[in-house]
Amino acid sequence: KAGVTQTPRYLIKTRGQQVTLSCSPISGHRSVSWYQQTPGQGLQFLFEYFSETQRNKGNFPGRFSGRQFSNSRSEMNVSTLELGDSALYLCASSLAGGYSYNEQFFGPGTRLTVL
Amino acid sequence: DAKTTQPNSMESNEEEPVHLPCNHSTISGTDYIHWYRQLPSQGPEYVIHGLTSNVNNRMASLAIAEDRKSSTLILHRATLRDAAVYYCILRGYSSNTGKLIFGQGTTLQVKP
Repeated sequence: KAGVTQTPRYLIKTRGQQVTLSCSPISGHRSVSWYQQTPGQGLQFLFEYFSETQRNKGNFPGRFSGRQFSNSRSEMNVSTLELGDSALYLCASSLAGGYSYNEQFFGPGTRLTVL
Repeated sequence: DAKTTQPNSMESNEEEPVHLPCNHSTISGTDYIHWYRQLPSQGPEYVIHGLTSNVNNRMASLAIAEDRKSSTLILHRATLRDAAVYYCILRGYSSNTGKLIFGQGTTLQVKP
């Protein structure tokens, strides 16, 4: 079974631009979560989508948004990029997302550099 | 969500056992203890989880204190491939979300 895939793997943008990152979950998984990882803040939860609905949201500004399609694929968008948005963006999928025992499967991440 | 405390770093020799501690003194009765690890240049991966009893799987063992205020992840024979950041995470039993709250984790260095 294929794992979680994220595209692109690397991205360079300039301040003020916007960016869209894509995540394809494991087949059959309906929950997709997004995380931002930086050296200073570590791994921080951005948001989670389940059955095309945002189920949970972290403490990030409105410039960060996402959506999920009917095939469970998800995209996240960052508008008006700032230097501080440079980070590794990770996507994780799970069968249902809820319940304490549902294992989260992470993708390899998209490395975003903002110049 | 309850907080966990882990040492920033630990060292181990290859093929020796490693005990990675985690304190979670404010754990609630329905919180599960999960461990994930992140190898260099990869996303985190699930290691093990438990509630009250000690747990074993092919990757590791999880020893949970009787009062559940601490736990220990045990790697029985560390290999170089086990060098990673290990995260101890609490998740509520009724948690209807995939959200994971990561702390700073423990960076494990394995020496040949």
